[in-house]
Amino acid sequence: DGGITQSPKYLFRKEGQNVTLSCEQNLNHDAMYWYRQDPGQGLRLIYYSQIVNDFQKGDIAEGYSVSREKKESFPLTVTSAQKNPTAFYLCASATLWPGSNSGELFFGEGSRLTVL
Amino acid sequence: QKEVEQDPGPLSVPEGAIVSLNCTYSNSAFQYFMWYRQYSRKGPELLMYTYSSGNKEDGRFTAQVDKSSKYISLFIRDSQPSDSATYLCAMSAVNQFYFGTGTSLTVIP
Repeated sequence: DGGITQSPKYLFRKEGQNVTLSCEQNLNHDAMYWYRQDPGQGLRLIYYSQIVNDFQKGDIAEGYSVSREKKESFPLTVTSAQKNPTAFYLCASATLWPGSNSGELFFGEGSRLTVL
Repeated sequence: QKEVEQDPGPLSVPEGAIVSLNCTYSNSAFQYFMWYRQYSRKGPELLMYTYSSGNKEDGRFTAQVDKSSKYISLFIRDSQPSDSATYLCAMSAVNQFYFGTGTSLTVIP
């Protein structure tokens, strides 16, 4: 089945620790995105990547880092510098514009991070 | 002003009702318009995808886009309790996506 796999679904972190969230897609999409979702705030863009070994900051990149070593994979590291990391994290992917169906964005099932 | 505005609700309707969900936007460059359904603690699921203005129907769901008014709608006919979820509108232009904050819908049996 084609899709986006995020892991782990639930993660607990102590203050001062870095954690890495995994995102893998087998849709052959070039573009991948990380969003953070908080109640009442909608989706906020953390980082995105349109090509291997290249990525750009989104609206709330501070305290986060990413890598894009393979087309299929876009892991997100939540560092200890992120002041309020407890949230629901969503990975997504899409075909690059102006490719066919380039407006379709597909999401993974999400990872819920809780800081203890 | 936000790029995309969506009434957060909550919206509560009886089973079988017609539901109307709406979003407005400010950026005339948006070309693609989407509606997502999100159940609690799950990722958003793409329901409808529309390019430019017009209507698109898929089963009980109809999406409408009016680019002249910068207004999009999602209609759900014969609503079911399983439709209870948060509905997100989204739109895109050149690899960037913009989302509404979501409308929480409850369909009461």
